[in-house]
Amino acid sequence: GAVVSQHPSWVICKSGTSVKIECRSLDFQATTMFWYRQFPKQSLMLMATSNEGSKATYEQGVEKDKFLINHASLTLSTLTVTSAHPEDSSFYICSARDRQVFRNTEAFFGQGTRLTVV
Amino acid sequence: QKEVEQNSGPLSVPEGAIASLNCTYSDRGSQSFFWYRQYSGKSPELIMFIYSNGDKEDGRFTAQLNKASQYVSLLIRDSQPSDSATYLCAVNPAWDSSYKLIFGSGTRLLVRP
Repeated sequence: GAVVSQHPSWVICKSGTSVKIECRSLDFQATTMFWYRQFPKQSLMLMATSNEGSKATYEQGVEKDKFLINHASLTLSTLTVTSAHPEDSSFYICSARDRQVFRNTEAFFGQGTRLTVV
Repeated sequence: QKEVEQNSGPLSVPEGAIASLNCTYSDRGSQSFFWYRQYSGKSPELIMFIYSNGDKEDGRFTAQLNKASQYVSLLIRDSQPSDSATYLCAVNPAWDSSYKLIFGSGTRLLVRP
């Protein structure tokens, strides 16, 4: 099956610093990637849709200047949490959709990144 | 009204029993429906997807879709302790062309040995 690799798996950073999370599709090309955030005992909340070569589409309530998304190639999207604060501590998960039409509706998830801001 | 609703549980069943997980959705035009399993601290893994009304079976899992009632369910036969996890229902809304998924809050399943 299709593989999505997310890095790092976990990160601890100081308040006020920035953290970059990478999401790579390893064996397929992903024109669209999605970034989710999950707080403990809650479901996945979509943050933004990342499209290769264009600006990301953010969901209502998500600060685009705080959560910078770059999708520079068909296999890589990055999420940068800028000026992180303890309330940004969460589980961040990316997913990618294969550009081949017949597999379009499946979303493959990365392993997630546990961010702790201290 | 939430777009995708699930009972949070926990749903507790004995080993070997059938576990029935339910999900309702608000967008009548939704076309694609997914069930994911998520173990604590891990990312979701796809169990099944279903597009057409009726049942779809894959091993011990059966997904059931009723578009008229806006209802999708997942049956797990011969439940095992290793099935204990949170099950997430996800829907691709009809109004969205990017194929993003809207998730329910998940149902926690506990399978007692």
